[in-house]
Order: sequence, then structure tokens, then C-alpha cells
Amino acid sequence: EAQVTQNPRYLITVTGKKLTVTCSQNMNHEYMSWYRQDPGLGLRQIYYSMNVEVTDKGDVPEGYKVSRKEKRNFPLILESPSPNQTSLYFCASSRSGQGQWGYTFGSGTRLTVV
Amino acid sequence: GENVEQHPSTLSVQEGDSAVIKCTYSDSASNYFPWYKQELGKGPQLIIDIRSNVGEKKDQRIAVTLNKTAKHFSLHITETQPEDSAVYFCAADPLYNFNKFYFGSGTKLNVKP
Repeated sequence: EAQVTQNPRYLITVTGKKLTVTCSQNMNHEYMSWYRQDPGLGLRQIYYSMNVEVTDKGDVPEGYKVSRKEKRNFPLILESPSPNQTSLYFCASSRSGQGQWGYTFGSGTRLTVV
Repeated sequence: GENVEQHPSTLSVQEGDSAVIKCTYSDSASNYFPWYKQELGKGPQLIIDIRSNVGEKKDQRIAVTLNKTAKHFSLHITETQPEDSAVYFCAADPLYNFNKFYFGSGTKLNVKP
């Protein structure tokens, strides 16, 4: 089954404790992206990747890091989480960053930072 | 950058009625407009999309219309069913922005049996 898999689904952590949210897709998609979803704000892009070793900032990149060492994986790293990063996070992939294609989203990771 | 506004934020309809969700965008360079449905506890799922060279697209009970001049596009759901209850997001994608979507803030649709 074609899918984007995120882990974990739920995470509660303390301020300053580094964490990684994993994302993997099995569709050989070139393009991957992270979004956060907050009430009343919709989905906002954090980082995206056009291909292996190619990443760039989205609209709200502060406090986040990403890496794209393999085509299928695109982890989101919070080096020192803060309470304002409490949110619902989605990883998404798309066939390509060129020409417009819809996203396939993961099921989401609900992060709470206390 | 692009700004997408979506209305209404909540919509309640009786089963069998039609539902319409409207979005406006600001950047005339946007030329791809997908719609996503998000069910409780799940990620958004693409349900229909339209490109700027087309004015209307239909897929069974759902349709999307696009007015490039007025910079607005709408989702139409006919003969609504309880399983249509979800949050719906519109999005716009300026061609120059490498598949980055600007999302509306979402519409929570409730279909009452």
C-alpha cells in the first residue's frame, strides 16, 4: 500500500529534550515536506526537500531541522523543543517538486511540549 | 507570498443537501488548486484538484469551480452523506514555488443524518 508513515503518533516531552519525528514513504517520491497544523491557522510548511541532500526552509522553520540522506526518509528534528512547538505535525510527499502534484500525507504526530 | 482565505469555518447541513465551501487567493501566479479532506485522527487526503486552464471539474458527488478573474474557487458536494463529515482544506500553489501549497484555515463540515 502506497503510504507515508510517521512515528510516533503521539509524543509528550519536556522543554529542551531533543527529539526526532520520523517520516518514511514507499512511493519513490522525490519531494517531501513537513507541515504543522494549529487551530485557526491551517497547515503551515516547516521544511521541504526536493530530493536527496536538497532541503530548504518553509514558512515556519525556526526551532526545527531536517535531513534527507535517503529518498524515502525525511526526519524532523527538534534540537531543543519549547512549548510553542506543541502542535500536530504532518509529513507529506509528492511525485516531484516540478509541475504540480498533490500531496500524500502521513497520519500525523501530535506533539506536546511541557 | 500567497494568501488563501476559506469560508465558512464551520458548515452544518442535513443529509442529502448540498454543501459549498469557498476560497479566495491573492497571487495571480497560483495555477493549481487542490482540495483535501481530513477525517478525525487522520492526515489530509486529496479529494479533487483543478488547474488554472480549467473552469470546472467533477468527480461523482464533488465538483470544484475556479474563477481566475475573481481569484476564487469553490468545492461543491451534492447529496451529502454522514461520511462526508470532516474538515476540508483548500490550497493554492504558485507555479514558481516548487510544489509548496498555501492552505486555507479549513472548514468543518457536519452532515446531520
